[in-house]
Amino acid sequence: DVKVTQSSRYLVKRTGEKVFLECVQDMDHENMFWYRQDPGLGLRLIYFSYDVKMKEKGDIPEGYSVSREKKERFSLILESASTNQTSMYLCASSSPGEETQYFGPGTRLLVL
Amino acid sequence: AQSVTQLDSQVPVFEEAPVELRCNYSSSVSVYLFWYVQYPNQGLQLLLKYLSGSTLVESINGFEAEFNKSQTSFHLRKPSVHISDTAEYFCAVSEPGGFKTIFGAGTRLFVKA
Repeated sequence: DVKVTQSSRYLVKRTGEKVFLECVQDMDHENMFWYRQDPGLGLRLIYFSYDVKMKEKGDIPEGYSVSREKKERFSLILESASTNQTSMYLCASSSPGEETQYFGPGTRLLVL
Repeated sequence: AQSVTQLDSQVPVFEEAPVELRCNYSSSVSVYLFWYVQYPNQGLQLLLKYLSGSTLVESINGFEAEFNKSQTSFHLRKPSVHISDTAEYFCAVSEPGGFKTIFGAGTRLFVKA
């Protein structure tokens, strides 16, 4: 079974803090994704990566950055957390040609 | 640009009743279509998908969806729901060979005893 793990299930941070969200997948997938999930808005793509050190902006990249130094790990960075970044963050991975995305359990982030 | 519309934000239904969760999409090219399910406090998992071939696709737990190209729809149905089907369901669309998947806003299915 594909396993995607996220470093924290719940996080509480203060405005202005730098926040790191880590995601690790164990299926050697080339593609990795970061989404945020908000009620009534579904999932919105923040960033994705199709290879090590490669990254592409999604639909809402402002205020976020990413890092992919190893194939299995994809990190989301909030450089200076703000209250409007309070959300559920979901990581996913996929293999080219398979189309299905495999999701982690999510990190619920509260920024005070 | 692709988009996905889930026509109902919440669907309450009694146990053993049939249910239909509606999904319409827009795209100028051929598409792949998906339904994902999210149980409480969990990530999303694939329920079923249409890539090509038969327009009727089924899941292992009794859900089915039909790709209707003329109506640009991919509605999800189950003839008899269980309490355990209570979850949020997301319709999604992607382009063959593309990286991005577009998700709908989700439909919360509440199954009542």
